[in-house]
Amino acid sequence: EAGVAQSPRYKIIEKRQSVAFWCNPISGHATLYWYQQILGQGPKLLIQFQNNGVVDDSQLPKDRFSAERLKGVDSTLKIQPAKLEDSAVYLCASSLVWALGRTNEKLFFGSGTQLSVL
Amino acid sequence: QQPVQSPQAVILREGEDAVINCSSSKALYSVHWYRQKHGEAPVFLMILLKGGEQKGHDKISASFNEKKQQSSLYLTASQLSYSGTYFCGTEIWVQGAQKLVFGQGTRLTINP
Repeated sequence: EAGVAQSPRYKIIEKRQSVAFWCNPISGHATLYWYQQILGQGPKLLIQFQNNGVVDDSQLPKDRFSAERLKGVDSTLKIQPAKLEDSAVYLCASSLVWALGRTNEKLFFGSGTQLSVL
Repeated sequence: QQPVQSPQAVILREGEDAVINCSSSKALYSVHWYRQKHGEAPVFLMILLKGGEQKGHDKISASFNEKKQQSSLYLTASQLSYSGTYFCGTEIWVQGAQKLVFGQGTRLTINP
């Protein structure tokens, strides 16, 4: 079974530039998550999709971050303009269903995109 | 919202035991445990559901006390391969949405 695919693996940009990350979840997984992991910290949820609808984006800095999941499959996360504090690993994850606790479902993570903003 | 893990770091010799705790200020639907090795994606270990259950996988087990909103991960007779950062993820209900929120992690180092 293919895992969660993310690209690029690494990205280095200067502040105020824009950047985009791509994620292709496991086939058939309805729920897709974008997490931001700053060095030494736990993953922080940015946005959660159920099919192509947004379930939660309360932690997404909407003045600079945007995300979409067209056709309920792959997703892109964009930052424009980037700030120094956006340097982090951006993890995409997917799960079969949304109600994890009721269905004993787990998250599958991609390898992440490591972003360095200079 | 973020659960609190303790301790922040543990250093053990191979064969020793460790306990990692996770506590939340919010009511929990479930608790997940993941392990992340340096430069890699987090990997699922186990999930515990409401009902105060306990689970085990090889020599790694966990408990979930729903009333206390706490979970503990137990690693017995640790092996070198257990090294990594352990995250608990708590499934909570926030602003009408169910979401999985991770703790800050516990770094476990196993020495020969």
